[in-house]
Amino acid sequence: TQLLEQSPQFLSIQEGENLTVYCNSSSVFSSLQWYRQEPGEGPVLLVTVVTGGEVKKLKRLTFQFGDARKDSSLHITAAQPGDTGLYLCAGETTDSWGKFQFGAGTQVVVTP
Amino acid sequence: GAGVSQSPSNKVTEKGKDVELRCDPISGHTALYWYRQSLGQGLEFLIYFQGNSAPDKSGLPSDRFSAERTGGSVSTLTIQRTQQEDSAVYLCASSRDTRGTNTIYFGEGSWLTVV
Repeated sequence: TQLLEQSPQFLSIQEGENLTVYCNSSSVFSSLQWYRQEPGEGPVLLVTVVTGGEVKKLKRLTFQFGDARKDSSLHITAAQPGDTGLYLCAGETTDSWGKFQFGAGTQVVVTP
Repeated sequence: GAGVSQSPSNKVTEKGKDVELRCDPISGHTALYWYRQSLGQGLEFLIYFQGNSAPDKSGLPSDRFSAERTGGSVSTLTIQRTQQEDSAVYLCASSRDTRGTNTIYFGEGSWLTVV
């Protein structure tokens, strides 16, 4: 059983459309991170959220941490082909310091 | 070095042989992590080190897997008597320490194929 459930598993959209990826758990996280991974490379950190209800923006990407710190979402506005990749969320629970566990990922494909 | 370095980048081995995967973290990073990723899947936590000690080894899949870190720097992940289900990308990462607000930097991975 995955600690972090990501949905959808796969998303294919046209350039200019918006998309949202979800990361859910029954556990409470002290911190939660979002990564993007491209083929043949390691994941690259996009953002870290630590406060319940927190919203962070990174250009066209908006990240939200749930009030109860059990879930998070990533919203991309006006997606571009360069946004294509595997989006992974990872969380550290309050009783597992240092042990970041990952979701299975959402594969996003943005076509021109 | 500028980033996390892993070697070998690719390894094909015969079933039953032992393999060693090496990770060279970013200089000064005290925390080091090992993950495994199967094709198209998320990352499976294996083990992490704070300095030379490994507080949590619960992710190691079996007693054929072991890892060590010496001098607070380089780490080696050893898989004994490899099986075909061990085929995956083994990713190493490091961060300044284990606080969740720190950025974790990943290497490009070691692609292991057991035939």
